[in-house]
Amino acid sequence: EVVMTQSPATLSVSPGERATLSCRASQSVSSKLAWYQQKPGQSPRLLIYGASTRATGVPARFSGSGSGTEFTLSISSLQSEDVAVYYCQNYNNAKTFGQGTKVEI
Amino acid sequence: EVHLVESGGGLVQPGGSLRLSCAASGFTFTSSWMSWVRQAPGKGLEWVANMNQDGLKKYYVDSVRGRFTISRDNAKNSLYLQMNSLGVDDTAVYYCARDDVGGYYNYWGQGTLVTVSS
Repeated sequence: EVVMTQSPATLSVSPGERATLSCRASQSVSSKLAWYQQKPGQSPRLLIYGASTRATGVPARFSGSGSGTEFTLSISSLQSEDVAVYYCQNYNNAKTFGQGTKVEI
Repeated sequence: EVHLVESGGGLVQPGGSLRLSCAASGFTFTSSWMSWVRQAPGKGLEWVANMNQDGLKKYYVDSVRGRFTISRDNAKNSLYLQMNSLGVDDTAVYYCARDDVGGYYNYWGQGTLVTVSS
């Protein structure tokens, strides 16, 4: 099983500042990496797939990068509505999720 | 517009059974892999099971294999999860999700809560 490890567990960012979230895979997942946003009481929402492709309707301030075992989700200018938990997911080898990073203002 | 609506959750005693349903609309269900993903209270996401379009390929996470069965009825655009021998660790919100071609989830239902407790 591919283990996905996200860091940090909690990220505190001021409005308008950049947020950088990390995700590491225990073995290469190529570019088969997705990012999801989950707000309290809501279902997850797909943000990024293929490590760097934004899903339909996702604001341009969200960007993904990386390949192999190291991945990054960046939020260029944090807005209040971006407060959420963010999960990475490997879909190269079975389907495994990271434990999540909580982004707060 | 895509809709995935889960039902069938509730309170069940340890060792009991429950059957979850997911009604799909707004996309070609018969062409889609489908998954169940769960989230224990205050915890992260865990893929549970998925199946291909004709139901001949089914995959499970180790912790539920032999206890849970995923199935579908393409005539009714519906996905199911039969859960037997439930334990307290199965307590979670269960989401129905559509697998995109690559294997990520572009559509999710609102979830149904399963509580296993005596």
